[in-house]
Amino acid sequence: DVKVTQSSRYLVKRTGEKVFLECVQDMDHENMFWYRQDPGLGLRLIYFSYDVKMKEKGDIPEGYSVSREKKERFSLILESASTNQTSMYLCASSSISGRETQYFGPGTRLLVL
Amino acid sequence: SQQGEEDPQALSIQEGENATMNCSYKTSINNLQWYRQNSGRGLVHLILIRSNEREKHSGRLRVTLDTSKKSSSLLITASRAADTASYFCATRTTSGTYKYIFGTGTRLKVLA
Repeated sequence: DVKVTQSSRYLVKRTGEKVFLECVQDMDHENMFWYRQDPGLGLRLIYFSYDVKMKEKGDIPEGYSVSREKKERFSLILESASTNQTSMYLCASSSISGRETQYFGPGTRLLVL
Repeated sequence: SQQGEEDPQALSIQEGENATMNCSYKTSINNLQWYRQNSGRGLVHLILIRSNEREKHSGRLRVTLDTSKKSSSLLITASRAADTASYFCATRTTSGTYKYIFGTGTRLKVLA
């Protein structure tokens, strides 16, 4: 079974802090994604990566950066957390040779005070 | 940007009834997928339909795709309380990247 894990289920941070969200997948998938989910807005893509050290901006990259130094790990960084970044963050991975199914982690619920 | 829209936003039915959810999108797609999300959890893939397919079945799920109307529907037959969840459609455009656009979701509640 594909497993996507995220470093924390719940996280509370203060405004201005630097926040790291980690995502690890164990299926050698090429593609990895970070989404945020807010009520009434569905899932919005922040960044995705199709290979190590490669990344592309999604629909809402402002205030975020990402890092993919190893194939299995994709990190989302909030350089200076703000209250409007309070949200549920979902990581996903997919294979380019597979059926394009995205496998999601359990999510990290981030509260910025 | 392209955004999938699900309809209805919320649906409440009795156990045993069928549930139908609709998804509309704006640009040409390579494929469309449906996902389920149980409360506060990650999404789980249900079914994928490609742009050259019109209908697909998987167990109690039936998906249709009408590319001329840019819409898809998900039918869950003989619903169960365990089907209570939010359902999202996701589309991949024909642009060549593996970027997916998710809709805003339909919240389904199945009453026992």
